Amino acid sequence: RKEVEQDPGPFNVPEGATVAFNCTYSNSASQSFFWYRQDCRKEPKLLMSVYSSGNEDGRFTAQLNRASQYISLLIRDSKLSDSATYLCVVPSGGSYIPTFGRGTSLIVHP
Amino acid sequence: SAVISQKPSRDICQRGTSLTIQCQVDSQVTMMFWYRQQPGQSLTLIATANQGSEATYESGFVIDKFPISRPNLTFSTLTVSNMSPEDSSIYLCSVGQNTGELFFGEGSRLTVL
Repeated sequence: RKEVEQDPGPFNVPEGATVAFNCTYSNSASQSFFWYRQDCRKEPKLLMSVYSSGNEDGRFTAQLNRASQYISLLIRDSKLSDSATYLCVVPSGGSYIPTFGRGTSLIVHP
Repeated sequence: SAVISQKPSRDICQRGTSLTIQCQVDSQVTMMFWYRQQPGQSLTLIATANQGSEATYESGFVIDKFPISRPNLTFSTLTVSNMSPEDSSIYLCSVGQNTGELFFGEGSRLTVL
């Protein structure tokens, strides 16, 4: 099993839709999790951190399921500007070494 | 958050040559990483740049190919040596906070002909 796995998509949704991505991880000792957003030809930027069961910021909600070892990102009322690649990051190994999932591509269309 | 300046932002190089990428941070940071992102792929960690000692390389990356310097807590360089077209990629400098969050430079887009 890969350390961090994501469905690459693309997820193609209309404006206003609700969309959710999952990310599974193999390191059961991980304590912190992150979602990054990467626009085309740009560097990744932090979207949300998840340290306990979940986190909510406006239209974005991240949830953690430790028993099943996955985190999810829910986007409500999708905007055209939400179109991007969403990267899941989980520490791996005994020390904090950030491991990236391959990313999930989201396309929001009018 | 940290402000990270990376240069060059892009370059086109001939095979067999070497290119050094610089990363400057506006504050002292403990954790600094170098990533590679090949077209259509996610980020792959090359190495952790350690201040005052040799970098810690991930599996598949070696010091002879990717020598790294980190003379102080605000600066690091990554050299891509003896380049081939397979080295064409975006190289990203990143710094880590104690919270685990990462901040990235804008990346250096390398094309090897």
